[in-house]
Amino acid sequence: DTGVSQNPRHKITKRGQNVTFRCDPISEHNRLYWYRQTLGQGPEFLTYFQNEAQLEKSRLLSDRFSAERPKGSFSTLEIQRTEQGDSAMYLCASSSSPTTYEQYFGPGTRLTVT
Amino acid sequence: DAKTTQPPSMDCAEGRAANLPCNHSTISGNEYVYWYRQIHSQGPQYIIHGLKNNETNEMASLIITEDRKSSTLILPHATLRDTAVYYCIVRVAGSGTYKYIFGTGTRLKVLA
Repeated sequence: DTGVSQNPRHKITKRGQNVTFRCDPISEHNRLYWYRQTLGQGPEFLTYFQNEAQLEKSRLLSDRFSAERPKGSFSTLEIQRTEQGDSAMYLCASSSSPTTYEQYFGPGTRLTVT
Repeated sequence: DAKTTQPPSMDCAEGRAANLPCNHSTISGNEYVYWYRQIHSQGPQYIIHGLKNNETNEMASLIITEDRKSSTLILPHATLRDTAVYYCIVRVAGSGTYKYIFGTGTRLKVLA
């Protein structure tokens, strides 16, 4: 399968713990995006990478959140000191340039903070 | 803030056309309209996009009004597998790329 992959698919953690999610984009895609989706809502943009550079961050991304894409391939999203409000689906998407910037989404990581 | 409004839910009989409306009255002249759908527990899947002209592909047709303030996604012959949440999205310019601004979507149920 050559689509976007995310690991783990599900994560249950206790409040206050740190969690890290991984996203592997489609191999030739240089743009990578993170979104968060809460129950009953559409996905909300969190941050974006072009190659290894993080070019934009949403105000939704508090100081407890950090994302990296060290070699311009896979990306990680870390949440420190998790809170119950962090419970959501975290989606990763990738796209290539210079096409019409269609984004291809992964299956997501569902985080539950107890 | 979302730039699109959609009805929260719709039903459609299997084999009939499903017409999903979307309002995007504040869209700017260079902002595209995209449609994605999300089947339960999966990531959103691209359907179609357009700027001004009507568009058609193997999945659906997109009708955009002349003033670009609204659009309609048409699934010509809905099947049970088309049951999903359909998102009408405005693509806006970001820092070196484009971002999707999702609304809350329309939950389409195709009935046998």
